Amino acid sequence: SYELTQPPSVSVSPGQTASITCSGDKLGDKYTCWFQLKPGQSPVLVIYQDTKRPSGIPERFSGSSSGNTATLTISGTQAMDEADYYCQARHSTTWVFGGGTKLTVL
Amino acid sequence: EVQLVESGGGLVQPGGSLRLSCAASGFNFSSYEMNWVRQAPGKGLEWVSYISSRGSTIYYADSVKGRFTISRDNARNSLFLQMNSLRPEETAVYFCARVVFSGSYYLDHWGQGTLVTVSS
Repeated sequence: SYELTQPPSVSVSPGQTASITCSGDKLGDKYTCWFQLKPGQSPVLVIYQDTKRPSGIPERFSGSSSGNTATLTISGTQAMDEADYYCQARHSTTWVFGGGTKLTVL
Repeated sequence: EVQLVESGGGLVQPGGSLRLSCAASGFNFSSYEMNWVRQAPGKGLEWVSYISSRGSTIYYADSVKGRFTISRDNARNSLFLQMNSLRPEETAVYFCARVVFSGSYYLDHWGQGTLVTVSS
């Protein structure tokens, strides 16, 4: 089965840049999405097709992908960005999620 | 406005069954593929099942294959998940999510989720 690996946690100071990685075999050959999930809420799509941002998502959210790694970057991180972030890719007939990364803004 | 509202969750004993529903509104439901995704307490997101717009193509995660059945009623704008032989580790919030294709497939709208608790 296909697996996506994320760091369990990332910490960032307010106003700084946070980077969250997602690794998988030949992930760069697939399209990666990123979701933000806050406690008690539904997941929110923040990046799709590796680099695209849905309407309503702030410009500080960006994505990239190459080789075996996709990266979600949050520039000028704000306190409201503190959440769990999940990468996701399709592999054959399955939809695979990474294990999630808890972003702490402190 | 796109809305997805899940229902049908609750407490069920191990080995029991439950049927979840997802009511869709604000878009042409019959034109969209749909997914079920779950999140166990303290755990990450786990894909459960996919169904095409007309219901002709269906996929399941290996963990639920043979026990769960996804279906849809386009006339009633509804998505369903029949869950049989439930296990305690399947205690989770179950979300329905809309699939969009625009250069790639992605899940652009999610419901608020419904909690399924499997316990004796």
